[in-house]
Amino acid sequence: NAGVTQTPKFRILKIGQSMTLQCTQDMNHNYMYWYRQDPGMGLKLIYYSVGAGITDKGEVPNGYNVSRSTTEDFPLRLELAAPSQTSVYFCASNFGQTQPQHFGDGTRLSIL
Amino acid sequence: KNQVEQSPQSLIILEGKNCTLQCNYTVSPFSNLRWYKQDTGRGPVSLTIMTFSENTKSNGRYTATLDADTKQSSLHITASQLSDSASYICVVTRNTNAGKSTFGDGTTLTVKP
Repeated sequence: NAGVTQTPKFRILKIGQSMTLQCTQDMNHNYMYWYRQDPGMGLKLIYYSVGAGITDKGEVPNGYNVSRSTTEDFPLRLELAAPSQTSVYFCASNFGQTQPQHFGDGTRLSIL
Repeated sequence: KNQVEQSPQSLIILEGKNCTLQCNYTVSPFSNLRWYKQDTGRGPVSLTIMTFSENTKSNGRYTATLDADTKQSSLHITASQLSDSASYICVVTRNTNAGKSTFGDGTTLTVKP
């Protein structure tokens, strides 16, 4: 069982560049989430999706975009990278809000 | 404001000892409370999940308690092992929107031999 797979694991970007963080899950979960975790801080929700074609903003959506064309995939797009977006990004999924979330191992992103 | 406060921020114990981590929250309306373990460089892994009607839940050497009246939860670790060294995160979900969970900043536990 692969669970939740995130790619890449590490990335360095220059200010103003764009990139897409990939997330895929093989558990047929309807709900998927993107979080960022800054050092010593709790996870902050960026965007979430309750099913294919449905997405909504979390606490800190500015500077990011998402899409959900399939149940399995939930990519996160950074259009104009800024130093404030340096963080560790986690993707998660579950069957619903009463179920535990399954997390990927994160993408460590540095913007210089 | 919906908040989750965890204490202590960090804790060092000797292998074999017990410890208790605390979580206080102001999230409302309440749906469920979860404890996660996050090893360094890895994603969080679920330990327990409790709804309003549950006041205790165990997972091996981990036992979580919930007092919904005082909005407090604790995670008790029994007979600690070196592999318990990790960050423990308390997460509270509101009973309104599927995506809106509030994460605590975590307690970093170090177990020494």
